[in-house]
Amino acid sequence: GAGVSQSPRYKVAKRGQDVALRCDPISGHVSLFWYQQALGQGPEFLTYFQNEAQLDKSGLPSDRFFAERPEGSVSTLKIQRTQQEDSAVYLCASSLLDRISTYEQYFGPGTRLTVT
Amino acid sequence: AQSVTQLDSHVSVSEGTPVLLRCNYSSSYSPSLFWYVQHPNKGLQLLLKYTSAATLVKGINGFEAEFKKSETSFHLTKPSAHMSDAAEYFCVVSERRISSGSARQLTFGSGTQLTVLP
Repeated sequence: GAGVSQSPRYKVAKRGQDVALRCDPISGHVSLFWYQQALGQGPEFLTYFQNEAQLDKSGLPSDRFFAERPEGSVSTLKIQRTQQEDSAVYLCASSLLDRISTYEQYFGPGTRLTVT
Repeated sequence: AQSVTQLDSHVSVSEGTPVLLRCNYSSSYSPSLFWYVQHPNKGLQLLLKYTSAATLVKGINGFEAEFKKSETSFHLTKPSAHMSDAAEYFCVVSERRISSGSARQLTFGSGTQLTVLP
């Protein structure tokens, strides 16, 4: 079946540009997570949505980062005025929200952002 | 607070020999623990998970891990490495509840790159 998809897969931005990264979760998955993976590191939590509600944004590194999920399905992560330190792979994950499945997250292939 | 330490950033084994990837965790409560694998240009894939049932957990592709509370360890093993096992492996802990819901935040280790030599 269809998994989590992300677009674009690769994005090159000049410093100062705004970028928008898209995530299509698995159909029916209530929970949606964004992670940032710097080169040579493990993914780090950015933010979490339950349906359209953003319940946790404690991992967003600055107010230049903004995420939304207006209809409870597709999500967009926006980065304003990109900086070189924003260069990373941005991963999206989704999961069901039942007692058994709350721990299992399904990851997309990621968007590799390079800021020049 | 939850954290994970992967003791080796790189592990190299010969095809057909055993694999051991080490992981220690820190958690205030009884954690859930996972191993994920990441192949180049592919999404993270769940190998196995421990959620307070049997301490020896079997996963996909012949991998297994043993939860040892006294040692705060969750090492990943496989009896015989295959060339297709070459990838990055992440040990992950889940404890912190997100907001008031039941979703939980995953905390990843820094990863272990497994190389399998012919």
